[in-house]
Amino acid sequence: DTGVSQNPRHKITKRGQNVTFRCDPISEHNRLYWYRQTLGQGPEFLTYFQNEAQLEKSRLLSDRFSAERPKGSFSTLEIQRTEQGDSAMYLCASSRGLAGVGTTDTQYFGPGTRLTVL
Amino acid sequence: DQQVKQNSPSLSVQEGRISILNCDYTNSMFDYFLWYKKYPAEGPTFLISISSIKDKNEDGRFTVFLNKSAKHLSLHIVPSQPGDSAVYFCAANGVNSGGSNYKLTFGKGTLLTVNP
Repeated sequence: DTGVSQNPRHKITKRGQNVTFRCDPISEHNRLYWYRQTLGQGPEFLTYFQNEAQLEKSRLLSDRFSAERPKGSFSTLEIQRTEQGDSAMYLCASSRGLAGVGTTDTQYFGPGTRLTVL
Repeated sequence: DQQVKQNSPSLSVQEGRISILNCDYTNSMFDYFLWYKKYPAEGPTFLISISSIKDKNEDGRFTVFLNKSAKHLSLHIVPSQPGDSAVYFCAANGVNSGGSNYKLTFGKGTLLTVNP
């Protein structure tokens, strides 16, 4: 169990550029999540995948954001035409995918990608 | 509206004493609660969790208490150590209308400082 990994750890870009982040979940974890954290706030849910299917997107995820999880393994999060308001820590998490009332499905987080938009 | 609230932005305790971090929630559909610890420039690390069918869960120096009627949970760390200094996040999720629980809702965090 090597944990969730994310690349790059830091990204500095100019406003208007496109950026792409990668997340590699814990192997055998079916679910993968993206969260965003800004200064002084807790992580906020963006989207999640059950295997390769993207099952929900938060209203925080504007049309400039797109996430994929081809083959149900790693995931990418792309932000097009970045804005200064996109500056944040982007966190990826994964879980086994246990479902149902009374079951627990702990999410394990990666180290995050810190995005700075100049 | 904030469904998970951590009303104390910071807490300072002496090494060896007990640290008590508090969390309140408003959504009665939440049935699973977690505490995460976060160091600067790192992702949150899972600490301990509790299901709504229990009122206490213990793991070493960490104990989480859940009071469902008050919609309140707390994390006790005893004895506190300087290495425990970090931001602690309370998180919750619950079964959504589709019958699956997945989305975590986080509080804003409490910065714990344990002084030697």
